[in-house]
Amino acid sequence: DVKVTQSSRYLVKRTGEKVFLECVQDMDHENMFWYRQDPGLGLRLIYFSYDVKMKEKGDIPEGYSVSREKKERFSLILESASTNQTSMYLCASSTGTGDFAQYFGPGTRLTVL
Amino acid sequence: RKEVEQDPGPFNVPEGATVAFNCTYSNSASQSFFWYRQDCRKEPKLLMSVYSSGNEDGRFTAQLNRASQYISLLIRDSKLSDSATYLCVVSVTGGFKTIFGAGTRLFVKA
Repeated sequence: DVKVTQSSRYLVKRTGEKVFLECVQDMDHENMFWYRQDPGLGLRLIYFSYDVKMKEKGDIPEGYSVSREKKERFSLILESASTNQTSMYLCASSTGTGDFAQYFGPGTRLTVL
Repeated sequence: RKEVEQDPGPFNVPEGATVAFNCTYSNSASQSFFWYRQDCRKEPKLLMSVYSSGNEDGRFTAQLNRASQYISLLIRDSKLSDSATYLCVVSVTGGFKTIFGAGTRLFVKA
């Protein structure tokens, strides 16, 4: 089974703090994704990566950056957290071939005070 | 018009009922299609991929109609444990552009 893990299930930070969310997958997947999910807005793509050190902006990249130094690990960085970044953050991975189904981690519920 | 549209529901059905969800997508270049299940405050989980020939997995049947740009999910003999939100998902361009529908909420009651 595909396993995607995220560093924290719940996180509380203060406005202006730098926040790191980490994601690790164990299936040697080429593609990795970061989403946020908010009530009424569904899943929105922040960034994705199709290879080590490669990254592409998604639909809502503002206020976020990412890092992929190793194939299995994809980090999301909030440079200066703001209250409107309070959300559920979901990491996913998929192969670079086949039907590209994405497999999700358990999510990190981030609250910014 | 949204790229992937689903009836938000909720669908309230008794145990044992058959329920069908529909989904339409707007991009004719879409290549891959999926149904995901999401329980409250949990991550989406892949329920099944959807193929042009249609596919079945136990009580679940998925259909794809490319001409009408329409995907469906049929759940037979509903169980209480089927209560969840069902997300219709469409991928374009090698999986890099994946659009998630807003989801259809299902409640199965005893």
